[in-house]
Amino acid sequence: GESVGLHLPTLSVQEGDNSIINCAYSNSASDYFIWYKQESGKGPQFIIDIRSNMDKRQGQRVTVLLNKTVKHLSLQIAATQPGDSAVYFCAEKKGYSTLTFGKGTMLLVSP
Amino acid sequence: GEEVAQTPKHLVRGEGQKAKLYCAPIKGHSYVFWYQQVLKNEFKFLISFQNENVFDETGMPKERFSAKCLPNSPCSLEIQATKLEDSAVYFCASSQWSRRASSYNEQFFGPGTRLTVL
Repeated sequence: GESVGLHLPTLSVQEGDNSIINCAYSNSASDYFIWYKQESGKGPQFIIDIRSNMDKRQGQRVTVLLNKTVKHLSLQIAATQPGDSAVYFCAEKKGYSTLTFGKGTMLLVSP
Repeated sequence: GEEVAQTPKHLVRGEGQKAKLYCAPIKGHSYVFWYQQVLKNEFKFLISFQNENVFDETGMPKERFSAKCLPNSPCSLEIQATKLEDSAVYFCASSQWSRRASSYNEQFFGPGTRLTVL
């Protein structure tokens, strides 16, 4: 959902569940997308990226799906662990342009 | 180095004072970016450099903010006459050129500098 003021959209899951975090991006011409994880008090950490000529990319326990028709990006985390608790940001860019970040989603994993 | 380094970690300034933040990009990275993050929300892009040249400054508040990346020195972001609304965490990121993509790609972020303006 939309974030208002200080309130981030939050996804709460149990340890071991699969998590899906969604992002709607704004520029249909964007050709590069990234997911970042930000833990409390730290800078964003790269998770996975995908180019616009792909619709799916897999990493270790993470999968990014890109649906250009509806300008939607998702991050799937398999077997979520407490260490996955963080705020997740998607970002997009086109060519030389600046990376544009979306609103974050907080993931809370309970043991 | 192999990580983006930012100093100081915390900075407290009275309203109207100057603040200067530093960033050492990863060795070999030619792009440097500055972002402002207020209250763990979205990242507001401020300015980027390609080596010592300004690459994109569309997010930079021109009146009080300035930035430099000089050869053999850390990059810096300076805020003259700080205001309460400048309180935020300022992140620096660096990136390298991708010949395959004909662009820069993944940005590596530093740990940030928390600026508190009282």
